[in-house]
Amino acid sequence: AQSVTQLDSHVSVSEGTPVLLRCNYSSSYSPSLFWYVQHPNKGLQLLLKYTSAATLVKGINGFEAEFKKSETSFHLTKPSAHMSDAAEYFCVVSDRGNTGKLIFGQGTTLQVKP
Amino acid sequence: DVKVTQSSRYLVKRTGEKVFLECVQDMDHENMFWYRQDPGLGLRLIYFSYDVKMKEKGDIPEGYSVSREKKERFSLILESASTNQTSMYLCASKVLGLGENYGYTFGSGTRLTVV
Repeated sequence: AQSVTQLDSHVSVSEGTPVLLRCNYSSSYSPSLFWYVQHPNKGLQLLLKYTSAATLVKGINGFEAEFKKSETSFHLTKPSAHMSDAAEYFCVVSDRGNTGKLIFGQGTTLQVKP
Repeated sequence: DVKVTQSSRYLVKRTGEKVFLECVQDMDHENMFWYRQDPGLGLRLIYFSYDVKMKEKGDIPEGYSVSREKKERFSLILESASTNQTSMYLCASKVLGLGENYGYTFGSGTRLTVV
């Protein structure tokens, strides 16, 4: 069975400092992985996705993630946090069969301090 | 721009009522999903459908049913609403297959309160 674990429920950084949101996955085959962001009272927005192409994936708003099969990790990073990055972030793995089910992590709340 | 539209942003219903949550997509996507979102639990899959009149249970189907009579519309039904179904409900759709189009589009959600 597939699963994802987000290692931190809450991360706090200062504006202008790097962001690291950690995600480990479990999958019996090569997974498709995603990061979604949800700002307060807003819908889910796709940040980036990995679908077995380049292991370093660049997304929107300066975010990127690296797929590391040996570590079963897909951590999200950004070199310099902005106040507008404060939101909840979800790491997601997909069933790559026809069902296409998404399995979500529990979420990480990112706080950005001025 | 592609869209998944959920009919209500906020909904308040009484215990025991039958509740319909509607989701419509305009992208001709085959797969559609209903999730509920609760703090600390992320999103959990209730039901999904990969074709008209086809449905599959997700991880937490108890107390819910679904209907997909047309490709663009996927309805979530709470047969007899209970307070533990107070939650945010999110609908999503996706196109079959991989590659660049392998993506999901989410609606903006319906926040349901059962009193």
